[in-house]
Amino acid sequence: EDKVVQSPLSLVVHEGDTVTLNCSYEVTNFRSLLWYKQEKKAPTFLFMLTSSGIEKKSGRLSSILDKKELFSILNITATQTGDSAIYLCAVRPYDKVIFGPGTSLSVIP
Amino acid sequence: DAMVIQNPRYQVTQFGKPVTLSCSQTLNHNVMYWYQQKSSQAPKLLFHYYDKDFNNEADTPDNFQSRRPNTSFCFLDIRSPGLGDAAMYLCATSRGTLADTDTQYFGPGTRLTVL
Repeated sequence: EDKVVQSPLSLVVHEGDTVTLNCSYEVTNFRSLLWYKQEKKAPTFLFMLTSSGIEKKSGRLSSILDKKELFSILNITATQTGDSAIYLCAVRPYDKVIFGPGTSLSVIP
Repeated sequence: DAMVIQNPRYQVTQFGKPVTLSCSQTLNHNVMYWYQQKSSQAPKLLFHYYDKDFNNEADTPDNFQSRRPNTSFCFLDIRSPGLGDAAMYLCATSRGTLADTDTQYFGPGTRLTVL
């Protein structure tokens, strides 16, 4: 059965801290791995990763995929209160998307 | 401009009373998805359409049906809502399934309350 596991499930940090969110997966026919940020609305897309070892960056966020070890990490540097959200990892085997449980990040001033 | 539109944003129905949720897209994407997201849980895929081809997830209850009359619109029908069906229902689209550069666009969701 395809599955996506995220850790930690929740995290509280202070502004300015750096955080690393983890996502591991077991799927057949892996196509890509996706990271989303979800505040009190629909998820918004952050990154899509398809190749191992290639870091994707967007401002203070970055992510990398290891297809051999079947995991990905999402890094957020110099966290801000606006980063507080649930971060969802999802994997695409062919034509559907399987979400992990999410990591709830709270950034306190 | 909104690309994936869901109506209504909030829906209240009574136990057992059929309800239909609507999704439309201006992206001309081939694939449309319906997800159910309960409080504090990740979205759960119910089914998706690739063009007119309907793909149901194995664990989606028969109570949930879907229609896609054309490329732009997709409907979620809940035939006899139960209290456990109260959730946020998310519609999403993607251009296709073959391109590695494909991504998924979500609508704002419809929050369903069952009384």
